[in-house]
Amino acid sequence: DAGVIQSPRHEVTEMGQEVTLRCKPISGHDYLFWYRQTMMRGLELLIYFNNNVPIDDSGMPEDRFSAKMPNASFSTLKIQPSEPRDSAVYFCASSWALLDNYGYTFGSGTRLTVV
Amino acid sequence: GENVEQHPSTLSVQEGDSAVIKCTYSDSASNYFPWYKQELGKRPQLIIDIRSNVGEKKDQRIAVTLNKTAKHFSLHITETQPEDSAVYFCAAYSGGYQKVTFGIGTKLQVIP
Repeated sequence: DAGVIQSPRHEVTEMGQEVTLRCKPISGHDYLFWYRQTMMRGLELLIYFNNNVPIDDSGMPEDRFSAKMPNASFSTLKIQPSEPRDSAVYFCASSWALLDNYGYTFGSGTRLTVV
Repeated sequence: GENVEQHPSTLSVQEGDSAVIKCTYSDSASNYFPWYKQELGKRPQLIIDIRSNVGEKKDQRIAVTLNKTAKHFSLHITETQPEDSAVYFCAAYSGGYQKVTFGIGTKLQVIP
């Protein structure tokens, strides 16, 4: 298995532009998580899905952020319009269950820079 | 929601010494506590975890202890090696909130 695949690895965009981050979870994993990592706040859970259904989006910072999971093998996190304070590393992770003996498998992350 | 505090934020030790990272949590219903290691520029990876029905768990040079009464848990690394240098995250799974909350992370530097 190739693991959790995220794209792009790096994204530089201008303030006000729309940004779309993509994630392909491990096949068979029922849970998908989007995390944001910054120096100041560490790893923050933005939203998670179970069987393609959003379960908890309380971590989504504001209406500019939206996430979808149209099928079991694909999810997107969209920021529109983007702002400099959105600059961070965004990780997607997947797992068999909320409590997985093997932990969450994280993707390589997308480093987003908004200028 | 659940609040996980982690100390220290940075830690430097001499190679061969031990390192201890401490975390506290707020939700008494939390029952699962994983630890992740993140090397520079890489993804977090699970290194050890402990459930609330266990007080201590060891895996070679790594051990985790849990004190449910005090609501704190710790990561112990013995005989540290340069390859242990990384950022370590503690986390707590809250059954009440149905999610994993991470600590802020500890940057461990092992000096050869």
